[in-house]
Amino acid sequence: GAVVSQHPSWVICKSGTSVKIECRSLDFQATTMFWYRQFPKQSLMLMATSNEGSKATYEQGVEKDKFLINHASLTLSTLTVTSAHPEDSSFYICSAPTGLSNQPQHFGDGTRLSIL
Amino acid sequence: AQSVTQLDSQVPVFEEAPVELRCNYSSSVSVYLFWYVQYPNQGLQLLLKYLSGSTLVKGINGFEAEFNKSQTSFHLRKPSVHISDTAEYFCALTINTGNQFYFGTGTSLTVIP
Repeated sequence: GAVVSQHPSWVICKSGTSVKIECRSLDFQATTMFWYRQFPKQSLMLMATSNEGSKATYEQGVEKDKFLINHASLTLSTLTVTSAHPEDSSFYICSAPTGLSNQPQHFGDGTRLSIL
Repeated sequence: AQSVTQLDSQVPVFEEAPVELRCNYSSSVSVYLFWYVQYPNQGLQLLLKYLSGSTLVKGINGFEAEFNKSQTSFHLRKPSVHISDTAEYFCALTINTGNQFYFGTGTSLTVIP
């Protein structure tokens, strides 16, 4: 079945480092992918919509230059947190529409980012 | 605009007791509704969904939910909970299955032995 693979699952790095998170659709193509952020004990909030071959659409309040999104192929979207700081520590989850009626969207397993 | 409200942030319940997790939504257009479960430090697992048809939907792990359009609700129920059901539960909606999801704030279910 349609699966979304997210990598890495856990990242710990120093402040000022840039971190890249990958979201891959396996066995299906995704022209659109969504990136969510989840703070501890809170809900998931949409950060941006990743569009294959074009610029991402960011939600209000999300810094485009801080969270760089690249959707270079029909199966891969990347989120790069540039010059990460401790306040960027969070759980990041991607999702992709599958086109399947039984599971219209599939979520990745998430990436826990910890900035020291 | 669309929104999802989960009124109960925490629900403690004894093992083998029934449970209901409440979810209400707001939307000016038709919606598709979902319940997801999230275990600590893990991603989201789909429990069940309402896309169309019967308003009573059954999901995995013995959970079920009923879509009530007049009350704009989609409450999740289980007749007898297990320790392993302890997790965070999220109600979500979308207006198009290819669009973004809107999530509620989550309900932390704790099953007490």
